[in-house]
Amino acid sequence: QVQLVESGGGVVQPGGSLRLSCAASGFTFSHYGMHWVRQAPGKGLEWVAIIWNDGRTKVYADSVQGRFSISRDDSKNTLYLQMNSLRAEDTAVYYCATDGSHREVDHWGQGTRVTVSS
Amino acid sequence: QSVLTQSPSMSAAPGQKVTISCSGSSSNIGNDYVSWYQHLPGTAPKLLIYENNERPSGIPDRFSGSKSGTSATLGITGLQTGDEADYYCGTWNGNFWVFGGGTKLTVL
Repeated sequence: QVQLVESGGGVVQPGGSLRLSCAASGFTFSHYGMHWVRQAPGKGLEWVAIIWNDGRTKVYADSVQGRFSISRDDSKNTLYLQMNSLRAEDTAVYYCATDGSHREVDHWGQGTRVTVSS
Repeated sequence: QSVLTQSPSMSAAPGQKVTISCSGSSSNIGNDYVSWYQHLPGTAPKLLIYENNERPSGIPDRFSGSKSGTSATLGITGLQTGDEADYYCGTWNGNFWVFGGGTKLTVL
């Protein structure tokens, strides 16, 4: 079955960088677009970015545009999120998720926690 | 401030029925399919409804969805204590995905 496992979270100082990974299995990774979604403490779900299955088309939320970069390595079945110039408001649990075949966000990982604090 | 508007919270007794609404605009709900997600703290969100009213395999028929114009609704019948969770609607807004602010459902 579909499995998504995020890693790379941790504590980082404001202005710092972090790279998240999402290891995918149980489906043909290269065929699907992939999302990053986050949830800040006490807040709702916030969509962060998508990379389509062509690996070139990427769209970002305004809140992370210019600071975050989404990428994928289909040979490793892995999705990445490079996060630079981190701010306190980026503190959240970050989830990776598949883009489904019916215009939905389909399968989700368990999330990895990122804390931006001095 | 979310692009899609949901009531922040609601409550109902076990066995009852609830409807959770999601209001948007012609740029999002009015122009694409709506999906619904259940999120229990500390767990991965789960897809409940896609294409406005379709259930993935394994989702009981107690959960239903509908859409009319720029609004969508999630219905849950025969409420169970295990249904206590946060519920989110979601859809495309042009090239961006958007979620509602979420509705916290308490099953008393």
